[in-house]
Amino acid sequence: EPEVTQTPSHQVTQMGQEVILRCVPISNHLYFYWYRQILGQKVEFLVSFYNNEISEKSEIFDDQFSVERPDGSNFTLKIRSTKLEDSAMYFCASSASVGALSGNTIYFGEGSWLTVV
Amino acid sequence: AQRVTQPEKLLSVFKGAPVELKCNYSYSGSPELFWYVQYSRQRLQLLLRHISRESIKGFTADLNKGETSFHLKKPFAQEEDSAMYYCALMENAGNMLTFGGGTRLMVKP
Repeated sequence: EPEVTQTPSHQVTQMGQEVILRCVPISNHLYFYWYRQILGQKVEFLVSFYNNEISEKSEIFDDQFSVERPDGSNFTLKIRSTKLEDSAMYFCASSASVGALSGNTIYFGEGSWLTVV
Repeated sequence: AQRVTQPEKLLSVFKGAPVELKCNYSYSGSPELFWYVQYSRQRLQLLLRHISRESIKGFTADLNKGETSFHLKKPFAQEEDSAMYYCALMENAGNMLTFGGGTRLMVKP
């Protein structure tokens, strides 16, 4: 079964450094997402991306964050200047369609664990 | 704004016992509800969704709009059911999932 893949699985970075998390969505999917989960807290939506632009973003997704689809397969999340509170598991996800009633399923990657020190 | 609440962080049962993982939501419209499961060291996987009304791995969940609940049930728990379970809500026309805090289910032999 096709899967969403993420790299790296774990990254440690110093506060203030830039980090890029990479994702390869399922190949025929058109909608891409990033979620994050701070240790012990809920999985939170960050951003959704469709047709090479952000379609929705949460208040967490501030100017420090950006997403990009640099080529036909990768989908990246960049954190420009990391803060301690950015330490979390970051999940990439993708789906073929949008909206719940269309039978849309959002498939998740295994996550990238980011530790900011 | 929508909210999903899972009141139990941990639920521990013996093998063969019935299981009910609670989920309550608040949303002004007509939501779609999901249960996702995360087994140890694995990714979040869709377990079931309200709209398809199916039973997956013996689990069922019924949407109760009056009580704004979507509890997950299984009549006889198995050890392999031990995992984190997340209830999630999506607006009908949207593509953003709002998750509950998750419940860790431990099934003891």
